[in-house]
Amino acid sequence: EVQLVESGGGLVQPGGSLRLSCAASGFTFSNFWMTWVRQAPGKGLEWVANIQQDGSEKNYVDSVKGRFTISRDNAKNSLYLQMNSLRVEDTAVYYCASRAIAARPYYLDYWGQGTLVTVSS
Amino acid sequence: QSALTQPASVSGSPGQSITISCTGTSSDVGNYNLVSWYQQHPGKAPKLMIYEGSKRTSGVSNRFSGSKSGNTASLTISGLQTEDEADYYCCSYAGSSTLVFGGGTKLTVL
Repeated sequence: EVQLVESGGGLVQPGGSLRLSCAASGFTFSNFWMTWVRQAPGKGLEWVANIQQDGSEKNYVDSVKGRFTISRDNAKNSLYLQMNSLRVEDTAVYYCASRAIAARPYYLDYWGQGTLVTVSS
Repeated sequence: QSALTQPASVSGSPGQSITISCTGTSSDVGNYNLVSWYQQHPGKAPKLMIYEGSKRTSGVSNRFSGSKSGNTASLTISGLQTEDEADYYCCSYAGSSTLVFGGGTKLTVL
């Protein structure tokens, strides 16, 4: 059974940093693109970033470019999101997600339960 | 990277059919046959329902169907059931391995 478990969320002040993790199991992690999607409280889903199987290609939504860095450790079956210079508008539940096959991430079959990041003074 | 446009809410009675529209541009919805639809119940993670515009994921009822015309994709739910009440999000491939979501539509089953 595929499992994606996010961790690392919490309360942080504006301008601060936080590192999210996603532990994957039940599939060959190194074969799959991985994606972060966020959802602000009471709002819709927003695609944030993704990373290719070997980490060679990374893509970001414009609003986080230069502030967030996606990375992965295939030996640890883990995905990360380093978030710097956090803003109030980054407050959201952050989901880790993946496709069910080893192909471009055109859609997302598997989702974690999310981790809440709150940016507030 | 502008969000796709969905109606904020739709409603229907049990047994009826509803359609949720999703309007994008020629750079996303109109340029690729890669629209997906997600269902999200309160406090839960999104669930993939439809992919590549009209294909249902395993286990999804055939009451759910997807289509596309030009820059607009649509999700139709027939024979509405109370358990269909949820938020629905469209999503399109937007090139360069990026995705864009719609703003979401709250479905109320009266």
